[in-house]
Order: sequence, then structure tokens, then C-alpha cells
Amino acid sequence: GENVEQHPSTLSVQEGDSAVIKCTYSDSASNYFPWYKQELGKRPQLIIDIRSNVGEKKDQRIAVTLNKTAKHFSLHITETQPEDSAVYFCAASIYKLVFGAGTILRVKS
Amino acid sequence: NAGVTQTPKFQVLKTGQSMTLQCAQDMNHNSMYWYRQDPGMGLRLIYYSASEGTTDKGEVPNGYNVSRLNKREFSLRLESAAPSQTSVYFCASSEEEGQPQHFGDGTRLSIL
Repeated sequence: GENVEQHPSTLSVQEGDSAVIKCTYSDSASNYFPWYKQELGKRPQLIIDIRSNVGEKKDQRIAVTLNKTAKHFSLHITETQPEDSAVYFCAASIYKLVFGAGTILRVKS
Repeated sequence: NAGVTQTPKFQVLKTGQSMTLQCAQDMNHNSMYWYRQDPGMGLRLIYYSASEGTTDKGEVPNGYNVSRLNKREFSLRLESAAPSQTSVYFCASSEEEGQPQHFGDGTRLSIL
């Protein structure tokens, strides 16, 4: 079955810097790659997603890139703000989502 | 528009007790899911229902059962709770499989 690895497990950045989180997946048939943000004690919330027929997608300060050949995808957050501090999860899917273990992002002001 | 509603929000059980976690969505979604979240392990799929009338095992189904009561409701039952089932349980729904999933607020379950 699908296996998703996520790195790094923790990431600290200064406010205003960029943050990059990377995920690799094992099943080349996976075709949907969402990213979720989870604040402490809250539900996971979808922040951006990409399908396998697209290489990059942007939404304001957030972007996701996909390299199907290498089977990895990344989340890029520019101009980080303290409210970006949270746990971020990647996932890969054919029909069912398989999640990475998460990245704790701390934005220091 | 409530989205995905889970009850209860918190529960403490003793080993061997049974309980049912309830989930309802008002988005007319076909697919529903139950996950558990443990520290450092992300979200793991317990069971899912691709459409009304169908249920299938996920990654960690042992010790659980589910019922898709109707299109709106999908319940998760622990027949004989064990301490290893202490976790945060999330229900989610999507229009179809492979579509964006929307999560409920979770149920924090402790088993002593």
C-alpha cells in the first residue's frame, strides 16, 4: 500500500522567512495530494491541494509543487507569520488518504 | 452550516467498556471516514464508507466496528475498550473518494 514520509518533523523559522516541508510517496498511482494545517486542539483544515496533472499550485503565500517522476511534493510558505505556527500534514491518495507523520512549524517573532 | 459534527467531544472509559462515537455531516457527501490521531503518527484510517450502504477497513481496523446509518451519519463502535485505543478520533467526509476531506472537531477518548 501507499507510504508517505514527511520531513522535517520540526521546523523553526523567523517571522518573514520562508518555510518548506517535503513529502515523498511510494505508490506511483497516487493522483491527489492535499496539505492540512492543524492548530493545537483543533481539527485538521485543508489549506491547499494538487492533482497529478499539475506541477505547481499557488494560493497567496502558500504553494505546492509536485514531482511525479521523483514521487515527492512540497509545501512552500513565504513571508511566514506567527499565525502560521501549527502542525502541517501532507497526504497522498488514489481513493483513500494516507497521511505523513506531520511537521511542527514554529514561527518566531 | 455545521459541516461535520462529532459527539461526544470528550469521554473517559474503563477497560472493557463499550461505546459508540457519532458523526453526522450536512454537506450531502457520499464518502465518510474515521481516523485516529496519536502523537507523532499523523492520522491513520480506521474504517471508511465510500457511499451509503458500504463500509471497508482502513489501516487500523482491529477492535472497531462501524455503521453507515444513512447518507448523513457514520458511527464508530468500540466493543471492548482497551488502553491502546486511547486517542483522538476524527470523522471526515468528502463528496466522493479522492476528493477533499472535511474534518469534524474530534473526540478525545481516554481508556483507563
